Amino acid sequence: EAGVVQSPRYKIIEKKQPVAFWCNPISGHNTLYWYLQNLGQGPELLIRYENEEAVDDSQLPKDRFSAERLKGVDSTLKIQPAELGDSAVYLCASSSGDRGLASYNEQFFGPGTRLTVL
Amino acid sequence: AQSVTQLDSQVPVFEEAPVELRCNYSSSVSVYLFWYVQYPNQGLQLLLKYLSGSTLVKGINGFEAEFNKSQTSFHLRKPSVHISDTAEYFCAVSVTGGFKTIFGAGTRLFVKA
Repeated sequence: EAGVVQSPRYKIIEKKQPVAFWCNPISGHNTLYWYLQNLGQGPELLIRYENEEAVDDSQLPKDRFSAERLKGVDSTLKIQPAELGDSAVYLCASSSGDRGLASYNEQFFGPGTRLTVL
Repeated sequence: AQSVTQLDSQVPVFEEAPVELRCNYSSSVSVYLFWYVQYPNQGLQLLLKYLSGSTLVKGINGFEAEFNKSQTSFHLRKPSVHISDTAEYFCAVSVTGGFKTIFGAGTRLFVKA
């Protein structure tokens, strides 16, 4: 079974340019997460989706960041315009989100997209 | 609110030596606790988890961790490390009943020959 797929793996852009990251979760996983990981830090949640609904986007900087998961499967995270401080690794994760079981659902992470803003 | 503190940013150790990576958490409610490993240029992989029950948890690759409620700690241990254990290790906490996971800043384990 394929894991969480992210593309591109690396992206270098000039500041003020737009950029988009794509994530395809594990088949059947209805919960999808986008995390930001700065160098030397742990991941920080940006947004969590349950199917196509964004249920926690409190940490998403909405002035420049946006995300969508239109059909409740794959997802895109966009930054427009990018700033120097956005250089980081953007991780996507998914979980089965089956609330019928114990209230824990293991998150499976993709390899991330490393963004460099020049 | 929950928080996680990993007490060591880097831990160098010789191959076949034992290692302990320390983690303390703060929470006013019951939590789930995790250790993840991240190899270079890869995503995070779950090493082990504590949900309930026995406070000694065994994970993959010979790692284990002990939940100590009174000291609010969840230290990760391995009796004999290998070169291939060189990686970044993250301790994480999640509130039971919730989906939000808080990660520590990570500990870089460097195993020397």
